[in-house]
Amino acid sequence: GQNIDQPTEMTATEGAIVQINCTYQTSGFNGLFWYQQHAGEAPTFLSYNVLDGLEEKGRFSSFLSRSKGYSYLLLKELQMKDSASYLCAVSAAGNKLTFGGGTRVLVKP
Amino acid sequence: DTAVSQTPKYLVTQMGNDKSIKCEQNLGHDTMYWYKQDSKKFLKIMFSYNNKELIINETVPNRFSPKSPDKAHLNLHINSLELGDSAVYFCASSQVTSSLGTDTQYFGPGTRLTVL
Repeated sequence: GQNIDQPTEMTATEGAIVQINCTYQTSGFNGLFWYQQHAGEAPTFLSYNVLDGLEEKGRFSSFLSRSKGYSYLLLKELQMKDSASYLCAVSAAGNKLTFGGGTRVLVKP
Repeated sequence: DTAVSQTPKYLVTQMGNDKSIKCEQNLGHDTMYWYKQDSKKFLKIMFSYNNKELIINETVPNRFSPKSPDKAHLNLHINSLELGDSAVYFCASSQVTSSLGTDTQYFGPGTRLTVL
């Protein structure tokens, strides 16, 4: 089976950095995705990691360690619009995505 | 606009009714999915179709029946609606065609179903 854990909620200040951790135990692994979901909207793709290491995309970076079953999403220079839920998802056979419960990030001025 | 679209956006209905949600993608993708997001915001896969063929069929009551008339459409029909079916249903699509492959899934705007 699949088990994916991430914190429920985090609060940070505008301009700061926040790191959202995700740990997983899965029976298959074809990569790990991070999605952003604003309230009442669809999840939108942020990043994909399949090899160990750091992937950087502007203010957002994602890290993966397959041996540790661990990933994190790093959000730098936080902006008010970054207030959203961040979903960690593991891909297995058949491109089946299993999502964690999401981490709600609240950015305060 | 190129996108994944769903109709309706909101659906309010009585217990016991039958309803359908439609999904269309014009991204040229081969694979489409249905997800359910409950009140606790857990997003769970229900079904996936690759080029009109059922690939993933999670443990979903058989009151839920997906139908794919062509690879650009995947509709979800729900019979005998129950209170617990209230949720947001998201359609998604991706390009991957191989069961070993992985590709980014793009989500539709969601349909909020409320069963009274």
